[in-house]
Amino acid sequence: QKEVEQNSGPLSVPEGAIASLNCTYSDRGSQSFFWYRQYSGKSPELIMSIYSNGDKEDGRFTAQLNKASQYVSLLIRDSQPSDSATYLCAVRDGQNFVFGPGTRLSVLP
Amino acid sequence: NAGVTQTPKFQVLKTGQSMTLQCAQDMNHNSMYWYRQDPGMGLRLIYYSASEGTTDKGEVPNGYNVSRLNKREFSLRLESAAPSQTSVYFCASSKSPGTGYQPQHFGDGTRLSIL
Repeated sequence: QKEVEQNSGPLSVPEGAIASLNCTYSDRGSQSFFWYRQYSGKSPELIMSIYSNGDKEDGRFTAQLNKASQYVSLLIRDSQPSDSATYLCAVRDGQNFVFGPGTRLSVLP
Repeated sequence: NAGVTQTPKFQVLKTGQSMTLQCAQDMNHNSMYWYRQDPGMGLRLIYYSASEGTTDKGEVPNGYNVSRLNKREFSLRLESAAPSQTSVYFCASSKSPGTGYQPQHFGDGTRLSIL
C-alpha cells in the first residue's frame, strides 16, 4: 500500500518566521507531488505542484523535492496568521492520488 | 470560472433515507473523484471515474453508488443512509495521467449529517 506521511502537528511558528512542512512517500516511482492548503471547514486548495528534483518558488512558498530520499517539503517565508491552516501533501499514483494526513500550522501574531 | 461545483452544500438526513450528491466540473477533465473527510482524519477515496462511462471503487465504497452521467457530471448516491456516513464529502476532478502529471481540483464540499 502506497503511503504518504506527514507530522500531524500542530506546528507553531511566530509571525514573520519560516514555516517548514515535511512529507515522505513510499513509492520510489512517484513522479508528481502537490501541496494543498485547507482552512477549517473549507475544501483543499492547490498551492504548489512540483515534478523535478530541486526547488520551485512561488511568492512566499517554496517546494523542495528530493526523489532519492523520497522527501518533499514546503517552506513558507514571512509566515502570516492567514497561513494558519492544515497543509496536505499529495502524490499522484497513476489515476489516483495518495494524500497524507496533513500538518496543522499555527502562525502566532 | 466555476471549476468544480457541488450541490447541496449542507444536508441533514434521517437514518434509512436516500439522497444523491451532485458534482459538475467545467474544466473538461476526464477524471472525477468522490472523497469523504471525517474530523481529524485525512481524505478517503470512495469512488472514482477515469473517464465517461467508467467507475471504480476506492478505499471506502461500501454504502455508496456512483454514476458518471457525462463528462461533466459525477454523482454519489447513498441508498440507505447510516449515522456512520455523517461526514464532509468532496468531489474533485483532474486531467488524465496521460496528459501529464496534473493535480486535482476540489469542489467546496457537502456537509452531510445523518441522524
